[in-house]
Amino acid sequence: QQQVKQSPQSLIVQKGGISIINCAYENTAFDYFPWYQQFPGKGPALLIAIRPDVSEKKEGRFTISFNKSAKQFSLHIMDSQPGDSATYFCAATNNAGNMLTFGGGTRLMVKP
Amino acid sequence: DSGVTQTPKHLITATGQRVTLRCSPRSGDLSVYWYQQSLDQGLQFLIQYYNGEERAKGNILERFSAQQFPDLHSELNLSSLELGDSALYFCASSVEAGGPYEQYFGPGTRLTVT
Repeated sequence: QQQVKQSPQSLIVQKGGISIINCAYENTAFDYFPWYQQFPGKGPALLIAIRPDVSEKKEGRFTISFNKSAKQFSLHIMDSQPGDSATYFCAATNNAGNMLTFGGGTRLMVKP
Repeated sequence: DSGVTQTPKHLITATGQRVTLRCSPRSGDLSVYWYQQSLDQGLQFLIQYYNGEERAKGNILERFSAQQFPDLHSELNLSSLELGDSALYFCASSVEAGGPYEQYFGPGTRLTVT
């Protein structure tokens, strides 16, 4: 059972545009939602994370929006740059353990 | 650089063989996690160790096993390898076991079974 669904699978954005990636989860026990960025041949790198007690978290050009009632969260990348071209994974975990459940990933391409 | 190291970077072996993947966590991190990344299954949690003790198991096959040593490095042993075991294997570490705590991933080991 896929507990975290991520969309879209791929995304093409022009330089300077906004990239939006969405995730939905099923397990209401999840209470920590990180996003990871992965470049080809590299390991996933922690980008930004949110807990459900806040509806939004911003770090630089990256913003997470969280909707607890809808069990959805999204990553917004403002002023997208070609260097942002990578695969992005949303994930979720809970206090009972720390193992991450990942979404399927979104391959982002930012065109110059 | 996350501070998590993994060796080897690449591994090519034949079906039926056994391999060992090694991971050293970030300095100060006590918990180690193993994940498998494949095209059809995505990123999946395999197993977690905390300070030498197994803490949680995910979708780990019986042919796979792991351990964490007193110096906190961890090894993932894969035996009776099949073609479908070809994947990227990542190790991650965090400060504690429960949490949630931030997990930092290593560069991975690419395993190719021929």
